[in-house]
Amino acid sequence: QQQVKQSPQSLIVQKGGISIINCAYENTAFDYFPWYQQFPGKGPALLIAIRPDVSEKKEGRFTISFNKSAKQFSLHIMDSQPGDSATYFCAASLGNTGFQKLVFGTGTRLLVSP
Amino acid sequence: KAGVTQTPRYLIKTRGQQVTLSCSPISGHRSVSWYQQTPGQGLQFLFEYFSETQRNKGNFPGRFSGRQFSNSRSEMNVSTLELGDSALYLCASSWGQAYGYTFGSGTRLTVV
Repeated sequence: QQQVKQSPQSLIVQKGGISIINCAYENTAFDYFPWYQQFPGKGPALLIAIRPDVSEKKEGRFTISFNKSAKQFSLHIMDSQPGDSATYFCAASLGNTGFQKLVFGTGTRLLVSP
Repeated sequence: KAGVTQTPRYLIKTRGQQVTLSCSPISGHRSVSWYQQTPGQGLQFLFEYFSETQRNKGNFPGRFSGRQFSNSRSEMNVSTLELGDSALYLCASSWGQAYGYTFGSGTRLTVV
């Protein structure tokens, strides 16, 4: 129940295209859903996050869509650029309960071809 | 502002040895968490400290331990190293909750 399932494992998108990464969770007590971006040799960096009371959040070219009833959320990268090539992780947290940890998905390696 | 600093960046140890990794959080952050990242298991939660107290612990053997000092700096220790402990160890800090974690660049540990 603590798992977060992420797909696809890898993704190749042409420059200018839309990259879509999906995640699903089981634990309805999760109350915080961030996405992290990781470049080789670096730690994950927070990209964008959403709470379950909101169905969509947009920051620049990055949008999270959240479907509470389906227990799914996704990251959309509009106008994908070669610089977006990285590994993306979704995560979920039980932050409000004091159980302070992030449960991560398995990651999606995104390659944006020029 | 300075980010999360982890030292050393790289370590090579022999099976059976022990190792200590260090993490300096962002100034003002009181929560420090540790994660292990491997290609096979992904990002796995090790433990979290807040104000020098361990609040949460993941499903790792007792060989993995940590502590936090009064200045919020944290160390983790792995004793009796095994080949399977080879991983990138990441430290993350926050004000006190899982919201807005900032990760360091990690310590790459190789056990030979």
